[in-house]
Amino acid sequence: AQSVTQLDSQVPVFEEAPVELRCNYSSSVSVYLFWYVQYPNQGLQLLLKYLSGSTLVKGINGFEAEFNKSQTSFHLRKPSVHISDTAEYFCAVSEEDGGFKTIFGAGTRLFVKA
Amino acid sequence: DADVTQTPRNRITKTGKRIMLECSQTKGHDRMYWYRQDPGLGLRLIYYSFDVKDINKGEISDGYSVSRQAQAKFSLSLESAIPNQTALYFCATSDLYSGNTGELFFGEGSRLTVL
Repeated sequence: AQSVTQLDSQVPVFEEAPVELRCNYSSSVSVYLFWYVQYPNQGLQLLLKYLSGSTLVKGINGFEAEFNKSQTSFHLRKPSVHISDTAEYFCAVSEEDGGFKTIFGAGTRLFVKA
Repeated sequence: DADVTQTPRNRITKTGKRIMLECSQTKGHDRMYWYRQDPGLGLRLIYYSFDVKDINKGEISDGYSVSRQAQAKFSLSLESAIPNQTALYFCATSDLYSGNTGELFFGEGSRLTVL
């Protein structure tokens, strides 16, 4: 069965510093991988996704993630964060099981400090 | 206007009351989902529907029921609310293409508090 582990529940970082939010998954079959962002009092929106092809995926707002099949990881990175990046970030995985149900990690709360 | 609309956005109710959360979408998607978000637990799937005649239980369906009234409408009911159903509830949709990869499109959420 698939599962998703986000290794950090909270990540504080100063503005303009780089950040990495870590995500590991477990699955016995091929997967699709996603990062969603949730700003305060809003729903989730897609940040980026890996379906196939290049393992380095670029998303909105300067974020990128790298799929590492051998380490079953999909870490999210941004070279320089802004105050407006403060939000909760969810890693999600889906695998072909007849329904493509999506499983979410517990979330990582990113705090960007001035 | 939002593509996926949830009502109400906030609701406070008492234990034992019946509550309905409604979701409507203008994206033309066939697939609709209800998730529950709790701090530290992420999102967990309650029910999902791939078309009007198809309803499926998710991982935490106990205490909940759903109705797919039309392609665009999917409602979640709590027949007798209890305090541990206090949570943020999200409706989501996907189409055949995005649904085949697991990509979801979310509403803005309905915050439910059961006293």
